[in-house]
Amino acid sequence: AQSVSQHNHHVILSEAASLELGCNYSYGGTVNLFWYVQYPGQHLQLLLKYFSGDPLVKGIKGFEAEFIKSKFSFNLRKPSVQWSDTAEYFCAVKGSGGSYIPTFGRGTSLIVHP
Amino acid sequence: EAEVAQSPRYKITEKSQAVAFWCDPISGHATLYWYRQILGQGPELLVQFQDESVVDDSQLPKDRFSAERLKGVDSTLKIQPAELGDSAMYLCASSLSGTGSYNEQFFGPGTRLTVL
Repeated sequence: AQSVSQHNHHVILSEAASLELGCNYSYGGTVNLFWYVQYPGQHLQLLLKYFSGDPLVKGIKGFEAEFIKSKFSFNLRKPSVQWSDTAEYFCAVKGSGGSYIPTFGRGTSLIVHP
Repeated sequence: EAEVAQSPRYKITEKSQAVAFWCDPISGHATLYWYRQILGQGPELLVQFQDESVVDDSQLPKDRFSAERLKGVDSTLKIQPAELGDSAMYLCASSLSGTGSYNEQFFGPGTRLTVL
C-alpha cells in the first residue's frame, strides 16, 4: 500500500521568502507523484506532477518539485512566495499501473503575510 | 471553463437522518470519483465510477453509504443513517478516463456536511 507524509502542517512566511514543503512517500515500486493546491474558497487543483524523466518538475505559478528517489521525497519549492500563494497544499502518490487514483497526504496550510 | 458541479454546498443534519449529495461532472468525462475529506486531512477516495459502473468502492462504508451513476453522467452519494463521524467535506471529481493512462482529475467545490 502507498502512503504519503507531509511533515509541515502549518507554514507561515512573509512575502518574498523562499518556500519548501516536505513530502515523503512509502511505496516499493515505480511511483507517480503530484502536488495539488486549494486556494481559499476554490476547488482543489493540480499544481504539478511527476511521472518519469527529469526529476525536477516545473508547475504553474513558479512552483517546482524535485523527485529524489533515494530519499522517497518529492518536495515542493518556490524561490519567492507571494500573498496569493496562501493556500492548502497536498502531496499525493500513486503506484504506477492500474487506475490513476492518488493517495493524498494530510496537507500543509501555507499563510503568506504581505 | 467547464467545471464539476456539486450541490448542496452545505448541509446540516441530525444524526440518524438521511442525506444525499449530487455531482455533475464535466461533460464528456467518463470517470467520476467521490472523496471524503475530514478536517485536517487529505481527500480519501470513497468510490470511483467508469461510466455507470463502479470500478472501486473498497473504502465506501457500505452499511450506510451508497452511490449511483445510473446513466453514466451525474451521480448521487447517499448516507443513511448519518453519524457524527460523517461530518466532513465530500468532494466529487471527474476525468476523461481513470484507467489505462493518466487523465487529470478536476474537482468540484465540495459539499460540507455537518452532523449534529
